[in-house]
Amino acid sequence: QVQLVQSGAEVKKPGASVKVSCKASGYIFTGYYMHWVRQAPGQGLEWMGRINPNTGGTNSAQKFQGRVTMTRDTSISTIYMELSSLRSDDTAMYYCARKLDFYLDYWGQGTLVTVSS
Amino acid sequence: QSALTQPPSVSGSPGQSVTISCTGTSSDFGSYDRVSWYQQPPGTAPKLIIFEVSNRPSGVPDRFSGSKSGNTASLTISGLQSEDEADYYCSLYTSTSTWVFGGGTKLTVL
Repeated sequence: QVQLVQSGAEVKKPGASVKVSCKASGYIFTGYYMHWVRQAPGQGLEWMGRINPNTGGTNSAQKFQGRVTMTRDTSISTIYMELSSLRSDDTAMYYCARKLDFYLDYWGQGTLVTVSS
Repeated sequence: QSALTQPPSVSGSPGQSVTISCTGTSSDFGSYDRVSWYQQPPGTAPKLIIFEVSNRPSGVPDRFSGSKSGNTASLTISGLQSEDEADYYCSLYTSTSTWVFGGGTKLTVL
């Protein structure tokens, strides 16, 4: 069965960087685009960007361009999302999700990133 | 501000039906069937419940149905049950390969 397992919660200071991982299993890792979506406390879902696990090619929302780096390691079926220059409003739950056709069919359990001095 | 507009909240009693609307401003919305819906109970990750406007993934009860007319998509939940209490989000996959989400609707089962 498809599983996406994310890394644990992080607490970071303003200005620091955070790197979240998402390990995939139960399917061919390189066969599906993966996306990152975040959710601030009490707020809605916000798309951050995507990675093609086959080529490593990425696209990100304009809001995050220059601050987000998405990578993958095919040897361990894992994708990563690194967000730099953290601010307090980056405090959120970060989700990875698998794209199938035009929808996100499987989601990770989420990684809580707290930015606080 | 979300590109997709949803009502902040809806409510209904057990056994009743509720409909959540999702209105888009993008020309993508009316042109493509790339609308999906996600259910998010408190403290959990979103779960896909409707894809391509009206299709249900395996395991999703047929009480959940979707439709679209013009620039408005709708999610209808019939025979409300207490476990349906959750936040619901519509989403559109755009022609530029990005996602836009609605602001979310909180469903309360009275």
